[in-house]
Amino acid sequence: EAGVVQSPRYKIIEKKQPVAFWCNPISGHNTLYWYLQNLGQGPELLIRYENEEAVDDSQLPKDRFSAERLKGVDSTLKIQPAELGDSAVYLCASSSPESGGELFFGEGSRLTVL
Amino acid sequence: RKEVEQDPGPFNVPEGATVAFNCTYSNSASQSFFWYRQDCRKEPKLLMSVYSSGNEDGRFTAQLNRASQYISLLIRDSKLSDSATYLCVVRDSSYKLIFGSGTRLLVRP
Repeated sequence: EAGVVQSPRYKIIEKKQPVAFWCNPISGHNTLYWYLQNLGQGPELLIRYENEEAVDDSQLPKDRFSAERLKGVDSTLKIQPAELGDSAVYLCASSSPESGGELFFGEGSRLTVL
Repeated sequence: RKEVEQDPGPFNVPEGATVAFNCTYSNSASQSFFWYRQDCRKEPKLLMSVYSSGNEDGRFTAQLNRASQYISLLIRDSKLSDSATYLCVVRDSSYKLIFGSGTRLLVRP
């Protein structure tokens, strides 16, 4: 079974530029999460989707971050414009009730803002 | 105060040693508890769930103390391959998963 797929793995951009990350969850997983992880810290939730509905986006900085999950499968996370402090790893995860709520993470997208 | 707190370490132990990590959480309404493992530059992966009665999986034992709001992970007979960061994770009543900052373990030959 294929795991959670994220792209790109690495992205280097200059500040004020836009950037987008893509995530394909495990087939059949209705819950999708975007986390941000800084070096030496644990993942911090940005947004959680149940199918196509964003059920928790309280930690998403809505002035520059946006996300969508059209058709309740793939998801994109966008930052526009990027700031130096956005440099981090952006992790996508998915889960299902059948998985007992276990989160399966993708390998992450490492963003460097110069 | 962070919702989930862990000692960042690193814990530097020789092979074969027993090592224990603790984690405290602030929300008494938290419902579920987990330990995830994260290797350097890799994604987190579930190590084990933590049940109220305590549970064991091979060399790993997890305990939950709801009264004191802490979770522990005990690793016996440490292996070099156990070197990683161990993340304490708590699920609150809104089904939100909250991660601690992690405890780093280094097992030396």
